[in-house]
Amino acid sequence: GENVEQHPSTLSVQEGDSAVIKCTYSDSASNYFPWYKQELGKRPQLIIDIRSNVGEKKDQRIAVTLNKTAKHFSLHITETQPEDSAVYFCAASPRSNDYKLSFGAGTTVTVRA
Amino acid sequence: DTEVTQTPKHLVMGMTNKKSLKCEQHMGHRAMYWYKQKAKKPPELMFVYSYEKLSINESVPSRFSPECPNSSLLNLHLHALQPEDSALYLCASSQGGGVYYGYTFGSGTRLTVV
Repeated sequence: GENVEQHPSTLSVQEGDSAVIKCTYSDSASNYFPWYKQELGKRPQLIIDIRSNVGEKKDQRIAVTLNKTAKHFSLHITETQPEDSAVYFCAASPRSNDYKLSFGAGTTVTVRA
Repeated sequence: DTEVTQTPKHLVMGMTNKKSLKCEQHMGHRAMYWYKQKAKKPPELMFVYSYEKLSINESVPSRFSPECPNSSLLNLHLHALQPEDSALYLCASSQGGGVYYGYTFGSGTRLTVV
């Protein structure tokens, strides 16, 4: 099945700096890559996603890039703010099973004021 | 309505109790999911219902029993749980085509087994 690796496991950044989280996946047929943000005690919330026919997508301060050849995708957060502090999960959907999402292990992001 | 509603928000149960978790959505989504999540770990898929039929059971112990009475409701019946089953139980839904259109997660039920 699909295996998603996520790095780093923890990330501490100064407010205003950028944060980058990287994920790699194993199944070259995977075609959907969402990112979820989960604040302490709350539900995972979809913040951005990308499909395999697109190389980059941006939404205000967040962007995701996808390199299908290398089988990796990254989340970029610019101008970080304290409210960006959360656990971030990447995920990939293997084409073989459209109902499953394979999640990365998560990155705990702390934005220092 | 763009939400998935889960009740109760918190549940404490003994190992001999029987309880149920409830999930409801009115977005017309035809796929519904149960996930289990331990602290700071990713969600782990338990069950998937597609068009009210169980389509995926991730080898979950029989002490967890899902039910989908209609396209808007999903239940998870709990019986004879163990302390290690304590976790956040998340319900999610997606359009009938599956995850490709994105999940919407509920806020979860925090379960403690004593």
